[in-house]
Amino acid sequence: NAGVTQTPKFRILKIGQSMTLQCTQDMNHNYMYWYRQDPGMGLKLIYYSVGAGITDKGEVPNGYNVSRSTTEDFPLRLELAAPSQTSVYFCASSPQALCTFGSGTRLTVV
Amino acid sequence: DQQVKQNSPSLSVQEGRISILNCDYTNSMFDYFLWYKKYPAEGPTFLISISSIKDKNEDGRFTVFLNKSAKHLSLHIVPSQPGDSAVYFCAASAPGTYKYIFGTGTRLKVLA
Repeated sequence: NAGVTQTPKFRILKIGQSMTLQCTQDMNHNYMYWYRQDPGMGLKLIYYSVGAGITDKGEVPNGYNVSRSTTEDFPLRLELAAPSQTSVYFCASSPQALCTFGSGTRLTVV
Repeated sequence: DQQVKQNSPSLSVQEGRISILNCDYTNSMFDYFLWYKKYPAEGPTFLISISSIKDKNEDGRFTVFLNKSAKHLSLHIVPSQPGDSAVYFCAASAPGTYKYIFGTGTRLKVLA
């Protein structure tokens, strides 16, 4: 049972480039989340989804987009990368209460 | 607007002693609270939770206390072990939202 899988693990982007962070879970969880963690800071919620076809903004959604076409996948899209988006990104899923996190994607925008 | 606050960025404790990590929240609608532990280069892992209908929940060496009137919760680890050295996050959610708001974390170092 793989749990929550995030790819890639590391990525360096140039300012203005775009990319998609992939997240997939095999636990049939309805709820999925994207968080970012900046150095010395807590986890900030970017977007979340309560089921396929339904997404909503979290605390820091600007500069990001998400989609949820299947229960398993919840990709996060950065359209025009900015240095402020340098962070570690965590995807998580939950059946209702307890979140299971992926191991993270470390993104650097230069 | 930090709705969940962990005011101590770091804490050092001797092995075998009690570790107490604190968390304060401002949103009175929060009714479910969780603690997560995070090691470097890994995702957070769930540790223990508490619902607002309780004021205490225990799981082995870990106990979480909730004081709703003070909007404060704490995590007690007894006895502390070197393997407990990690960053601990508290998180909270409001009824029916399943949207978890995290604190900034406390780095615990347990000294052997």
